[in-house]
Amino acid sequence: EAQVTQNPRYLITVTGKKLTVTCSQNMNHEYMSWYRQDPGLGLRQIYYSMNVEVTDKGDVPEGYKVSRKEKRNFPLILESPSPNQTSLYFCASSPGSGGAADTQYFGPGTRLTVL
Amino acid sequence: SQKIEQNSEALNIQEGKTATLTCNYTNYSPAYLQWYRQDPGRGPVFLLLIRENEKEKRKERLKVTFDTTLKQSLFHITASQPADSATYLCEGPNAGNMLTFGGGTRLMVKP
Repeated sequence: EAQVTQNPRYLITVTGKKLTVTCSQNMNHEYMSWYRQDPGLGLRQIYYSMNVEVTDKGDVPEGYKVSRKEKRNFPLILESPSPNQTSLYFCASSPGSGGAADTQYFGPGTRLTVL
Repeated sequence: SQKIEQNSEALNIQEGKTATLTCNYTNYSPAYLQWYRQDPGRGPVFLLLIRENEKEKRKERLKVTFDTTLKQSLFHITASQPADSATYLCEGPNAGNMLTFGGGTRLMVKP
């Protein structure tokens, strides 16, 4: 089944404790992206990647890191999480460059709480 | 800055009526807009894409329009059903290869 998977689905952590949220897609998509969704602010793009070893900042990259060592995986790293990073996070992938009107396929979401 | 905006107020309509949701864009001219449906706690799911040179697109009970003069896309659901209740998101391209979403409009269809 074609899908985007994220792990963990739920995570409660404490300020400053490094964490990684994994994202994997099995559709051989070029473009992958991370979003956070907060009430009243909608979906905001954190980072995106157009291909292996190519990553770029989105609207809200501060406090996050990403890597794209393999085409299928795009982990989101919070080196020192803070309470303002408490949010619902979505990973998404699409076939092309993102600028070519490609439909995004979203993962199920990761609900992160930073205490 | 380039923005996509949707009415943040929930839209309540009666079953069987047509729901119309609005997506406005400012400070740029997107080559396309996409509409997604999102249910609570779940990821958005693609519904329709419309390009700037297309006036209208249809899919079953769904219709999307793109008006470059008004800088607006309208999303219509005809013969709405309670199962159509969800949040609907408008998305378009942004600077570089970024993508941007509107804040979404929550639709409630009452039986």
